[in-house]
Amino acid sequence: KQEVTQIPAALSVPEGENLVLNCSFTDSAIYNLQWFRQDPGKGLTSLLLIQSSQREQTSGRLNASLDKSSGRSTLYIAASQPGDSATYLCAVEEDSSYKLIFGSGTRLLVRP
Amino acid sequence: GAVVSQHPSWVICKSGTSVKIECRSLDFQATTMFWYRQFPKQSLMLMATSNEGSKATYEQGVEKDKFLINHASLTLSTLTVTSAHPEDSSFYICSARGPQETQYFGPGTRLLVL
Repeated sequence: KQEVTQIPAALSVPEGENLVLNCSFTDSAIYNLQWFRQDPGKGLTSLLLIQSSQREQTSGRLNASLDKSSGRSTLYIAASQPGDSATYLCAVEEDSSYKLIFGSGTRLLVRP
Repeated sequence: GAVVSQHPSWVICKSGTSVKIECRSLDFQATTMFWYRQFPKQSLMLMATSNEGSKATYEQGVEKDKFLINHASLTLSTLTVTSAHPEDSSFYICSARGPQETQYFGPGTRLLVL
């Protein structure tokens, strides 16, 4: 059974720092991996989607990498801002069934 | 961009009543939608897959008679929590597969059962 783990569970950094969020999954046979952002009491916003054949995706200050063989993905946030404060979730899609298996998330606080 | 809405955004009800939550894809058609549940400070857990025109597929441990799902059209899925109890209090989020293979999530519905 696929399990997704995110480390750290919480992170507090001063504004301007570059930071890395980690995601690991137990079964490397995935279809794709997605990173989401969730603000308190809100739904999810898709940040980046990496297909299984890809190694990374970039969007603005965000860069996500994928190493399928080792079952790992990282989300890199450059020059963090207070507005980046949220919970970041990674999720894997095992096949084309569209079902997502989520990690427990990393709660990020960027201090002004 | 693709938008998914949910209604209501929050609901408070008495124990034993039934609550219906709607999930709509506003600018795209979705043959498949998903319902998730999220307890405080926990991640999302998939409850069921809602298929337009056919029965929903439930994840292990989710009672299909308690969480009734209807996917009546290509833009609407409903989740009905029947005979709700306090332990059903949670944040319910739906999603739909949209353009570019990305899943789009609704804003969620917070349910509190007294």
